[in-house]
Amino acid sequence: AQSVTQPDIHITVSEGASLELRCNYSYGATPYLFWYVQSPGQGLQLLLKYFSGDTLVQGIKGFEAEFKRSQSSFNLRKPSVHWSDAAEYFCAVGPGGFQKLVFGTGTRLLVSP
Amino acid sequence: EPEVTQTPSHQVTQMGQEVILRCVPISNHLYFYWYRQILGQKVEFLVSFYNNEISEKSEIFDDQFSVERPDGSNFTLKIRSTKLEDSAMYFCASSSPGQQETQYFGPGTRLLVL
Repeated sequence: AQSVTQPDIHITVSEGASLELRCNYSYGATPYLFWYVQSPGQGLQLLLKYFSGDTLVQGIKGFEAEFKRSQSSFNLRKPSVHWSDAAEYFCAVGPGGFQKLVFGTGTRLLVSP
Repeated sequence: EPEVTQTPSHQVTQMGQEVILRCVPISNHLYFYWYRQILGQKVEFLVSFYNNEISEKSEIFDDQFSVERPDGSNFTLKIRSTKLEDSAMYFCASSSPGQQETQYFGPGTRLLVL
């Protein structure tokens, strides 16, 4: 069965510091991988996605993620965090096509001044 | 930029009452989904819908739940007789024919059952 693990429930980062949010997945084949962000009171906004090809994918708001098949990971990174990045981040996996997504439990990012 | 919209943003109801949550998917999208997120828990899949039929549903989506596309723009989730444990944030999502795997989510409806 598909599953997604986000081992960090909360992370606090200083503004301007770099960020890495971890995501590990369990899936039988090469999955379709996504990162979504949920700001307070908002819905889930798609940050980036990976299907195939270059394992480093760029997304919106300066985020990037790297797919590592050997580690079953799809970690999200940002070189310099802004206060407006404070939100909850969800990693999700799907088989592609018109199929459901399976989400991780989310990581809440706090940004300190 | 087109987006998925949902109404109402919040709804409070009494246990046993019927609720209808409404969604307007992105206009050229043909694939529709409902997910829910109980406070502090994962976002969970409920149902997917295409061509006026349910394509897949989860164990959560029992006989108390139904979905409908009553016209060309709306997509609704009905809970016939709400239970306390139905309290959650409900998200609608849609995807396009060209990128079925990429789901775009609405802002959610927070449902509180008392």
